[in-house]
Amino acid sequence: KNQVEQSPQSLIILEGKNCTLQCNYTVSPFSNLRWYKQDTGRGPVSLTIMTFSENTKSNGRYTATLDADTKQSSLHITASQLSDSASYICVVVKGGSQGNLIFGKGTKLSVKP
Amino acid sequence: NAGVTQTPKFQVLKTGQSMTLQCAQDMNHEYMSWYRQDPGMGLRLIHYSVGAGITDQGEVPNGYNVSRSTTEDFPLRLLSAAPSQTSVYFCASSYGKEYSPLHFGNGTRLTVT
Repeated sequence: KNQVEQSPQSLIILEGKNCTLQCNYTVSPFSNLRWYKQDTGRGPVSLTIMTFSENTKSNGRYTATLDADTKQSSLHITASQLSDSASYICVVVKGGSQGNLIFGKGTKLSVKP
Repeated sequence: NAGVTQTPKFQVLKTGQSMTLQCAQDMNHEYMSWYRQDPGMGLRLIHYSVGAGITDQGEVPNGYNVSRSTTEDFPLRLLSAAPSQTSVYFCASSYGKEYSPLHFGNGTRLTVT
């Protein structure tokens, strides 16, 4: 069964601290993996798209890693800011088709001052 | 650029009523799609379109109709609303290529009583 599992479900950290969010998937065939940020009351916004051959990709203070062998990805946030408070959604695209996106349930991150 | 625009932002319907959720994009994207987001679940695909005049069903199409008469617009119709359709609905679009990011609207929160 094609699944995307994210952990933890929720996380609270202090401003300025780092954190890492996890994503495990069982989607096959694999095309690419995406991380989205969703602010409360808004639509998801793309952070990164990683292909099979990419191990690490950065977008500012966000760094995503991908291990296609173990089918795991992580999103590391450095020097967190209050504006990082959001849900982070891991998405795996199956077989190269835009219609075959498998969404995780997301990790809700709260950054406290 | 406005990106993906959804209207209305909020809607309350009574069981059995019909309505249309509007979605428009100004990025000349070929691919458009509708998702619903429910608490504790990942986004689920309702319907999608790979171009004007072409639509197809996603994971949860029952109770919803779509049409794509122009590249810009992709309305979602609820013919007879049911309480199970209470959800937040997101429209998304992309260039439709394998690594094209999805651009989401900011959602329509629908309550069916």
